[in-house]
Amino acid sequence: AQSVAQPEDQVNVAEGNPLTVKCTYSVSGNPYLFWYVQYPNRGLQFLLKYITGDNLVKGSYGFEAEFNKSQTSFHLKKPSALVSDSALYFCAVREFFSGNTPLVFGKGTRLSVIA
Amino acid sequence: EAGVAQSPRYKIIEKRQSVAFWCNPISGHATLYWYQQILGQGPKLLIQFQNNGVVDDSQLPKDRFSAERLKGVDSTLKIQPAKLEDSAVYLCASSLARRTRWSEAFFGQGTRLTVV
Repeated sequence: AQSVAQPEDQVNVAEGNPLTVKCTYSVSGNPYLFWYVQYPNRGLQFLLKYITGDNLVKGSYGFEAEFNKSQTSFHLKKPSALVSDSALYFCAVREFFSGNTPLVFGKGTRLSVIA
Repeated sequence: EAGVAQSPRYKIIEKRQSVAFWCNPISGHATLYWYQQILGQGPKLLIQFQNNGVVDDSQLPKDRFSAERLKGVDSTLKIQPAKLEDSAVYLCASSLARRTRWSEAFFGQGTRLTVV
């Protein structure tokens, strides 16, 4: 069965500093990987996804993520954090094979960017 | 384009009462999902529709939860009777097509249910 682990409940970073939110996954075959962000009282918003090809994926709001197959990781990164990036971040995985598989989410990491 | 619409935004009910949530997906999106998000956890899929057919309801507590998607557009999720542990945010999402497994899902704002 597929699963996602986000090892950090909370990440604190100073404004202007680089940020990393960690995600590791477990699937039987190849994965489709996604990052979503959730602001207070808002639904989840899609940030970026990895399907195939270049391991470095660029997404919305200056975020990027690096797919590392050997480490089964898909960490979210941003070179310079903004206070407005403070939110709850979810990593999700879907297994690549024929048939229907659901999108499985991690438990989320709360990012706090301090001015 | 308009996003996924959900109503109500908030609902408070007593245990053993019934409740229903409504979702209108993005126009043209054939796939519709209902997720349950308990505080401190990631969203968990309850049911997935492709047009008006159920694709996956393996995690839906069928003794108390039901969902339908008449005419392949709007969907309702019902809980009857509600339990305290059903307190959560219920998220509706839609995506373009089931076969496109790499398609991202677009989420509504959710309905926050409190069972007292």
